[in-house]
Amino acid sequence: ETGVTQSPTHLIKTRGQQVTLRCSSQSGHNTVSWYQQALGQGPQFIFQYYREEENGRGNFPPRFSGLQFPNYSSELNVNALELDDSALYLCASTDGGLQYFGAGTRLSVL
Amino acid sequence: GIQVEQSPPDLILQEGANSTLRCNFSDSVNNLQWFHQNPWGQLINLFYIPSGTKQNGRLSATTVATERYSLLYISSSQTTDSGVYFCAPRGGATNKLIFGTGTLLAVQP
Repeated sequence: ETGVTQSPTHLIKTRGQQVTLRCSSQSGHNTVSWYQQALGQGPQFIFQYYREEENGRGNFPPRFSGLQFPNYSSELNVNALELDDSALYLCASTDGGLQYFGAGTRLSVL
Repeated sequence: GIQVEQSPPDLILQEGANSTLRCNFSDSVNNLQWFHQNPWGQLINLFYIPSGTKQNGRLSATTVATERYSLLYISSSQTTDSGVYFCAPRGGATNKLIFGTGTLLAVQP
């Protein structure tokens, strides 16, 4: 049990739509990171939030955006969905340098 | 950025066998984690090991930071060990973990 929960577990969207994925981490974990994992690949870093501010970003376009809230929950928003956005999206919270991952949201874009 | 290579890419074992998984990374790191991803996608922390050796039951890990590699040892493998094993070093100021493509392990009864 990592203490990180994500919702929904599965989601199907069509190209061009927008999607919001949610993550809830443990109290006191001030840093949350989001990763995208395509089939057969390792997770790729999207961005990181610390105390509600983005403070690190991977090689993802601006249509990937996020929010972090004071209650240790966070969101990943993706606009104008493309077929290649189909992937497992993972949220991780950090405690003492160790990252704990949620079970992920599997997004399918048709 | 840091490049991560894991070997072997695939491994098939009989239950009870031992194995060594290797992770090479291209630059200095200040953190390294090993994960097991189960068939449902959950990443399970195995070790936080920026340097040195740690053991947890049948698993142990060694990181030689000066030579830029880490090893994960699995002894007396069980079918529940099946899945993908990732090493993920971290470098730089953020918590960004760099994942390799993993080692897919299948343990047969």
